Amino acid sequence: QKEVEQDPGPLSVPEGAIVSLNCTYSNSAFQYFMWYRQYSRKGPELLMYTYSSGNKEDGRFTAQVDKSSKYISLFIRDSQPSDSATYLCAMSKDTGRRALTFGSGTRLQVQP
Amino acid sequence: DGGITQSPKYLFRKEGQNVTLSCEQNLNHDAMYWYRQDPGQGLRLIYYSQIVNDFQKGDIAEGYSVSREKKESFPLTVTSAQKNPTAFYLCASSILGAGNQPQHFGDGTRLSIL
Repeated sequence: QKEVEQDPGPLSVPEGAIVSLNCTYSNSAFQYFMWYRQYSRKGPELLMYTYSSGNKEDGRFTAQVDKSSKYISLFIRDSQPSDSATYLCAMSKDTGRRALTFGSGTRLQVQP
Repeated sequence: DGGITQSPKYLFRKEGQNVTLSCEQNLNHDAMYWYRQDPGQGLRLIYYSQIVNDFQKGDIAEGYSVSREKKESFPLTVTSAQKNPTAFYLCASSILGAGNQPQHFGDGTRLSIL
């Protein structure tokens, strides 16, 4: 079983919809949680970065972390065709190796 | 503009050949990382380095080698021992400090077999 599970999609929504993207994880040592957006043939771009549980909002994006359920979410409000990309969740521990453990990514398509 | 530059964008390898992928950053970051991305598998860690002249194996280091002679540079060599090298290779860097700082990525090198 993978340490981080993410539904690969594709997820197709109409423009203006609220999008919910999710990841579950098994290792309770993860403390830092990130969401990256990756366009085709490009490197991942950091969208949101949170520490421990709680919510964080940045413009149309909201990240939620529920450590008790080992579940993280990214919400996109008023989705735009330019949001069409693959969204990767990533997480890391507080000590030891600082590299990230990634989900497999969810492909999102926002239809105009 | 600060950032991470990976080159070349596309690379082709012949049987038995070693190839080297370049990664340069001007962000003054201490740590650098190499990941491999295959379809449907997310990113997997190959090697990472937290300081010049020191590096550690990641989860899939077999068939790869790295060096870290300068803070700005972290080249990855894909050796002939790597039997399935076709993938998208991503280099990342981050600050080392309190907590675990987020990583920033280059735009990748796509490696294919001739």
